[in-house]
Order: sequence, then C-alpha cells, then structure tokens
Amino acid sequence: GQNIDQPTEMTATEGAIVQINCTYQTSGFNGLFWYQQHAGEAPTFLSYNVLDGLEEKGRFSSFLSRSKGYSYLLLKELQMKDSASYLCAVRDPYKAGAGSYQLTFGKGTKLSVIP
Amino acid sequence: EADIYQTPRYLVIGTGKKITLECSQTMGHDKMYWYQQDPGMELHLIHYSYGVNSTEKGDLSSESTVSRIRTEHFPLTLESARPSHTSQYLCASSANGEKLFFGSGTQLSVL
Repeated sequence: GQNIDQPTEMTATEGAIVQINCTYQTSGFNGLFWYQQHAGEAPTFLSYNVLDGLEEKGRFSSFLSRSKGYSYLLLKELQMKDSASYLCAVRDPYKAGAGSYQLTFGKGTKLSVIP
Repeated sequence: EADIYQTPRYLVIGTGKKITLECSQTMGHDKMYWYQQDPGMELHLIHYSYGVNSTEKGDLSSESTVSRIRTEHFPLTLESARPSHTSQYLCASSANGEKLFFGSGTQLSVL
C-alpha cells in the first residue's frame, strides 16, 4: 500500500532554519516531490528528487534517501511569507495504469513562521 | 507561470443540483488531473486524463464524471450534488507526468 508521513504542524522563528521530514512506504518509487500550499491557494512546485542526495535551490533544499524511504525539506533564512503547508508527494510507477505515473500526497505540514 | 484556470472559485449550491466545474489550461499539456482536498487532509486523485478522449478514475471513489473533448479543457460534472460532496476541487496539468501545475481550485459547498 501507500503511506506517507509528515508532521502535522511546525513553528519556527523568522530568520531561522527549519527541516520538514517525510517518510514514505510505497509499492514502487520514481521520484519525490515537495509542494508549497498557502492557505486557500493552489499547491506550487518546490522540488523534485529521484536520486539520493541533496538538491539545493536558493533558500530551499530537499534531501532524499531511497534506502530509508526518507526525505526532508530544508528552509533557510525563514521569512513570514514561508508560512504555508508543505506537501510531500511520491510518484509510484506501480500504482497507476499502464504508461502513467501518479502522485500520492501526504497530509502536509503546516508551518507557522513567527517574528 | 502556470496558465491553468478554474471556475468558479467558490460555489454554494443546494442538494440535487447538477454542477460543472471548469478547468482549462493553455500550456498544451496532455496530462490533466482532478484532485479533491478536505481541510487538513491530503490531496486525493479522483480523475485523470492522458489525452483527448482518454479519462480514468483515480484512487478516491467519486460520483463525479469528467470529459476530455479538447486538450485544453477538462470539466468535472456532478449530476446531483449532495452535502458529502462539499470539498475543495483542484485541477492540475503536466507535460511529462512530473511537475504538476495546479489551478486555484473550486471550493464547493452543498447545502
């Protein structure tokens, strides 16, 4: 089956660093995605990892360990606008129909950045 | 960046009414998706399409139906709305099945 776990809520201070963890158990694996979703808005793409290691993109970095079924999103120099939900999603090639890959989403981590 | 549009943004409707949620994208993407999301919960895939005249049901059972007559258009229809259909509906598209572009969503409330 499919199981993706993330902390429900986190709070961090403006200017600090925060790490949001995601663990997954899926039938297959072909990539892990992080999306940001502000309240009442649509999710927007942040990062994609398919190989082990760290992918850095500005203030945001994402790490993947396929053997451990584990990923984290690292946010540096936190800003108030980073207050949002962060969704971890896994692409499982064995879940979907032939020739198609679909994403399974976690419930998201609601991050609150305080002054 | 994303050119995918959903209407209406908010909809309040009575039980038993037929409704259609519109979704259009101007990026020429073959793959389009409908997700349902309740507050604090994960996105659940309810329908997807990989091209014109191709539609499939997703993981979450839904009483809604979809059609894909044109590449850019992927409407979702509920023949008879019920309070259990109250939720947020998100449309998305992608070129290669990787990065998803989401619309702004339709918040549906059925009274």
